[in-house]
Amino acid sequence: GAGVSQSPSNKVTEKGKDVELRCDPISGHTALYWYRQSLGQGLEFLIYFQGNSAPDKSGLPSDRFSAERTGGSVSTLTIQRTQQEDSAVYLCASSLVDNLAGGYYNEQFFGPGTRLTVL
Amino acid sequence: AQSVSQHNHHVILSEAASLELGCNYSYGGTVNLFWYVQYPGQHLQLLLKYFSGDPLVKGIKGFEAEFIKSKFSFNLRKPSVQWSDTAEYFCAAKGGSQGNLIFGKGTKLSVKP
Repeated sequence: GAGVSQSPSNKVTEKGKDVELRCDPISGHTALYWYRQSLGQGLEFLIYFQGNSAPDKSGLPSDRFSAERTGGSVSTLTIQRTQQEDSAVYLCASSLVDNLAGGYYNEQFFGPGTRLTVL
Repeated sequence: AQSVSQHNHHVILSEAASLELGCNYSYGGTVNLFWYVQYPGQHLQLLLKYFSGDPLVKGIKGFEAEFIKSKFSFNLRKPSVQWSDTAEYFCAAKGGSQGNLIFGKGTKLSVKP
């Protein structure tokens, strides 16, 4: 597709249930990022994939959160035993690989997000 | 720790007023800076970015930003805002070997017609 897509667009779940959020990056983008946008918190980084591996998981808030990426393309963010504080908009972004040696960082293109509400 | 701070939470302007949104970053070494915009109901879009060279960067829709290294600032400006500029604006930075962007908390801009 032309841009980053995410599904579902909205998800309402009960506290304690598991949820899976999906991200389809732009074709050819090897880097994929997950962020969380909470009211009053701005955008928080969760995890970064380069290809299928995740060199930086430092933003995952707890071990209830995990993510994987297969085939260097689609990524799934899983939240187990959801809590009310997990309610937020989960954003995915993708980019071409950065040229770190040249100090050049490629633009990240964002998807529309998944609004997660935990009741 | 690396951080980005935006000074204003909510800015209200009348059409044709000039705009300046503050952004300061805390980074050592090479840093690339970005402004993203989120219009109501839409996803984040890149307004402009600074990598190197001319510290005055021009972006889309008449926006510009100036990188002032000595002040660790990257303020966003527009000489004359329009009602359609109503949106939330995020400053972001990326540096070193990290993969992710560090975002400020965002500034909501409301432009009165």
